[in-house]
Amino acid sequence: GAVVSQHPSRVICKSGTSVKIECRSLDFQATTMFWYRQFPKKSLMLMATSNEGSKATYEQGVEKDKFLINHASLTLSTLTVTSAHPEDSSFYICSASPTGMGQPQHFGDGTRLSIL
Amino acid sequence: KQEVTQIPAALSVPEGENLVLNCSFTDSAIYNLQWFRQDPGKGLTSLLLIQSSQREQTSGRLNASLDKSSGRSTLYIAASQPGDSATYLCAVVWSDYKLSFGAGTTVTVRA
Repeated sequence: GAVVSQHPSRVICKSGTSVKIECRSLDFQATTMFWYRQFPKKSLMLMATSNEGSKATYEQGVEKDKFLINHASLTLSTLTVTSAHPEDSSFYICSASPTGMGQPQHFGDGTRLSIL
Repeated sequence: KQEVTQIPAALSVPEGENLVLNCSFTDSAIYNLQWFRQDPGKGLTSLLLIQSSQREQTSGRLNASLDKSSGRSTLYIAASQPGDSATYLCAVVWSDYKLSFGAGTTVTVRA
């Protein structure tokens, strides 16, 4: 149980393109979803927390207009990287939690984003 | 500031040797601590979760200990195998339910 599906697993696109990444909880309702970013050989850094039906809470230093997060249902959250540039290339991982506390978290398999 | 540190950043051992991976955290008020495995370019595989009230958890060849007072957790992997080669991440859930990851220890087990 507690499966989180993240799609796509890999994206390669040109600079200036907007890219949408989906995160779905397949067998539970996700009250809270999280988006993380991982740079090479670095740890995962929390970008934002979203609760279904409300605006996402972004961590300090994360541009909310660049990284649009929508948590429209209890099983789906999307991260849109708008007008992506090479510096946005990274590994993005989502997680979902069935509780409002955000614990436990169940992780997706990640999306490798490469901007040319 | 709530931080999680993992030292060393990389470790190479011959097959059969026991692995000891260290994680330290700056605040003893934690909710739980979790160890993950990450293969190159892949997502996270949960290995062990230790609640704040527990001192250790075991699963097969893996054993994780937790000492909140000293702010430390250790992951032991017995009789290492080449298939254990991966990056191991320690993640702490603080009392405010926020989660912080360490930078990981990359393990290479030589055949």
